[in-house]
Amino acid sequence: QKEVEQNSGPLSVPEGAIASLNCTYSDRGSQSFFWYRQYSGKSPELIMSIYSNGDKEDGRFTAQLNKASQYVSLLIRDSQPSDSATYLCAVFYYGQNFVFGPGTRLSVLP
Amino acid sequence: GAVVSQHPSRVICKSGTSVKIECRSLDFQATTMFWYRQFPKQSLMLMATSNEGSKATYEQGVEKDKFLINHASLTLSTLTVTSAHPEDSSFYICSAPSGLNTGELFFGEGSRLTVL
Repeated sequence: QKEVEQNSGPLSVPEGAIASLNCTYSDRGSQSFFWYRQYSGKSPELIMSIYSNGDKEDGRFTAQLNKASQYVSLLIRDSQPSDSATYLCAVFYYGQNFVFGPGTRLSVLP
Repeated sequence: GAVVSQHPSRVICKSGTSVKIECRSLDFQATTMFWYRQFPKQSLMLMATSNEGSKATYEQGVEKDKFLINHASLTLSTLTVTSAHPEDSSFYICSAPSGLNTGELFFGEGSRLTVL
């Protein structure tokens, strides 16, 4: 059974700090990896996607993928209170389905 | 970019009634759509995969007769909660793959169902 694991948190960081969110997955056949942000009472919105090993940067967000370790992370630099949300790690298996992690609640303290 | 629209965003109904939720892909065709349910402070739980022109594929433990899914066109999937009970109160979210084989999912806005 394909599994995606995340620390449920809450992860609390002060404003301006770097927030580091981690995700591990069980199946080496995983194809694509995504980070979604979900505010309370809202549906998820895509933050980052990453498909190959290494880092991918987009503004204050950096996704890191290490397929050998089956590990994907999301770094948020200069964290803002508006970044406070639940972050969902999702893994896509080509021809199959998406598997979501349980999500990590991030709280950025002013 | 691609947009998935979900309606209604909120619905309150009496116990025993049925509620229909619509999910539309606005600028792309979706042969597959996914329906999720999310309880407070919990993660997304996949209920079923909606397939255009064929029967939906339900996840284990999801009652087919209670959660009716219809995918009659390439842009519309509907979820009907039949004979709703208070325990069906939840946040229901649909999503559709972008179709680019990148694995990207587009989510609807979600529908909050409250059964009195």
